Amino acid sequence: QQQVKQSPQSLIVQKGGISIINCAYENTAFDYFPWYQQFPGKGPALLIAIRPDVSEKKEGRFTISFNKSAKQFSLHIMDSQPGDSATYFCAASVPGANNLFFGTGTRLTVIP
Amino acid sequence: NAGVTQTPKFQVLKTGQSMTLQCAQDMNHEYMSWYRQDPGMGLRLIHYSVGAGITDQGEVPNGYNVSRSTTEDFPLRLLSAAPSQTSVYFCASSPRTGNTYSGANVLTFGAGSRLTVL
Repeated sequence: QQQVKQSPQSLIVQKGGISIINCAYENTAFDYFPWYQQFPGKGPALLIAIRPDVSEKKEGRFTISFNKSAKQFSLHIMDSQPGDSATYFCAASVPGANNLFFGTGTRLTVIP
Repeated sequence: NAGVTQTPKFQVLKTGQSMTLQCAQDMNHEYMSWYRQDPGMGLRLIHYSVGAGITDQGEVPNGYNVSRSTTEDFPLRLLSAAPSQTSVYFCASSPRTGNTYSGANVLTFGAGSRLTVL
């Protein structure tokens, strides 16, 4: 059973557009929600993360929006660039744990 | 500083063969883990360790063994490979365990090992 559900499976965006990836969870004990970025042939790398007591976190062109009541969070990539083309994973973990529950991933393609 | 090093990068096995995927980190991280990545399934935790001599099962442990004799190394053993174990395997490590805020524990992943079982 997937603890974190992610959509869409794939996404194609024009250069300069906004990419939006959505995730949902059921376990209200989760206290940490990171997003990982993975390029082909590489391991995932942390992109940005948020805690449930914050509704939004922005780092450069990347923003996480968090809706605690709906148990949903999303990644927004503003002014998407071809270099952003990668697979993105949302994840979650419970307090005190290093283990992450990952979503199924979204393959983003940014067309020049 | 090499980070997390996985070997081999590619491996082809026949059903029933055994092998060990190696993982080493040079960051003195307490926590180490193995994930498998399959299309449409994301990353799923196989086994993890919070320190030398301590290991535990993740979501999909069947068919895999691990041990942690040193802080640096965390090998993953397939005792009798099956086609269902065809996957890309990632080792990951993190500097701390047991923090009240798990967000302090950023996972550093290796580059992956692609395994094909025929």
